[in-house]
Order: sequence, then structure tokens, then C-alpha cells
Amino acid sequence: GAVVSQHPSRVICKSGTSVKIECRSLDFQATTMFWYRQFPKQSLMLMATSNEGSKATYEQGVEKDKFLINHASLTLSTLTVTSAHPEDSSFYICSAREPGGPSYEQYFGPGTRLTVT
Amino acid sequence: GIQVEQSPPDLILQEGANSTLRCNFSDSVNNLQWFHQNPWGQLINLFYIPSGTKQNGRLSATTVATERYSLLYISSSQTTDSGVYFCAVAYNQGGKLIFGQGTELSVKP
Repeated sequence: GAVVSQHPSRVICKSGTSVKIECRSLDFQATTMFWYRQFPKQSLMLMATSNEGSKATYEQGVEKDKFLINHASLTLSTLTVTSAHPEDSSFYICSAREPGGPSYEQYFGPGTRLTVT
Repeated sequence: GIQVEQSPPDLILQEGANSTLRCNFSDSVNNLQWFHQNPWGQLINLFYIPSGTKQNGRLSATTVATERYSLLYISSSQTTDSGVYFCAVAYNQGGKLIFGQGTELSVKP
């Protein structure tokens, strides 16, 4: 089955610093990846759609200058949280979809837990 | 936008019991997936089921697309089934998944 990895799994940073999270599709090429955010005891909320070779599409209310997304290759998308603040502390999860074929099934990474102190 | 509602929000079962989780959605979809989120946060794909019925061991799922609902059946539940079950749908070619609020299942020994 399709495997998606994320790195790091957990990160603690000081307020005002930037943090980069990597999302990789390990056994398939993904032209599209998605970034979600999950607060404790809540559901997942889509932040943005990452497209290989073009700009990301952000959901309403998500600050594109704060959450920088780069889809540099068919197997790697990165999310950079710039000038992080305690309210950015959350669980960030990426997903990817195998292109082509009739299935729209998405596969999720294991998530990255960000704590901003 | 499309609305996704899951019920019940919480469910407590004794080991060995059966359960049914429901997902209602407000518009036509081209993707519906069921996930189990384990205690470490990983989303495990259970079913990709925009329509029809599928079975995998003790789990099965049915989606009635014309009536806009999906059901996840868990039979002979085990303590390892505990966690949050999410239903998510996508309704256009872009493939963005919209998640329900989840059902938190606790299976007691």
C-alpha cells in the first residue's frame, strides 16, 4: 500500500522561530499533497493543497505568509511555520493521493506534533 | 460547503460487542473514506468506499450514495479497536477531504 512519511514526528521550538515539516510519499509519486491541522480532541481541518511545480492553494482563514508550503518534487512537500507562536502549537498531518486511476483514496502521514514555548 | 456529520460522538462497549457508526453527508461525493486514529495520532485507512459495501475481517462498511450516508460496522470488538473513527468525504476533482467530527470508541475488557 501507499506509504507517506513525515519528519520530524515531534518538535519543540521557541516563540518567534521558524519550523519546517517534511512530508514524503515513499513508494509513489504525488502531484498533489494536502496539509491538515488538528487541535486536541478535535477533527482534522484542511489548511492547504500543495501542488507540485505550482503555488499552494490555501483554505479560507489560513495565513499563507505564516504557513509556507513548497512542493519541490513529486515525492516531497514541506510546510514551514514562520515566526511561530504558542497558538500555532498543534498536530500537523499531511496526506497524498496516487495520481491517475479511478481511485481518489488518500494516504496520511503519521503527523508532526509542534509545541511552541 | 459540504457538511459531514458523524454519530454517535462517543461510544463505550464491552469487549465482544458489535457496533454501528454512522456518517451523513450533505451533497454528492466522489470519495468517502473511513479512518481509525490510533493513540499516537496516525490515521489508519479502513475503507475507501464512495458507494457499495466492503468487508475486511471484523469490519465492514456500506455507503448508500443516493441517500447520502455511510455506515461502519465493527463486530466482536476488541480493546485495540479503541480510538477515534473518522469519516471524510471529497466532492470534486480537487480531492480535498472534509472530515466529520469523529466517533470516540472505548472498548472495555
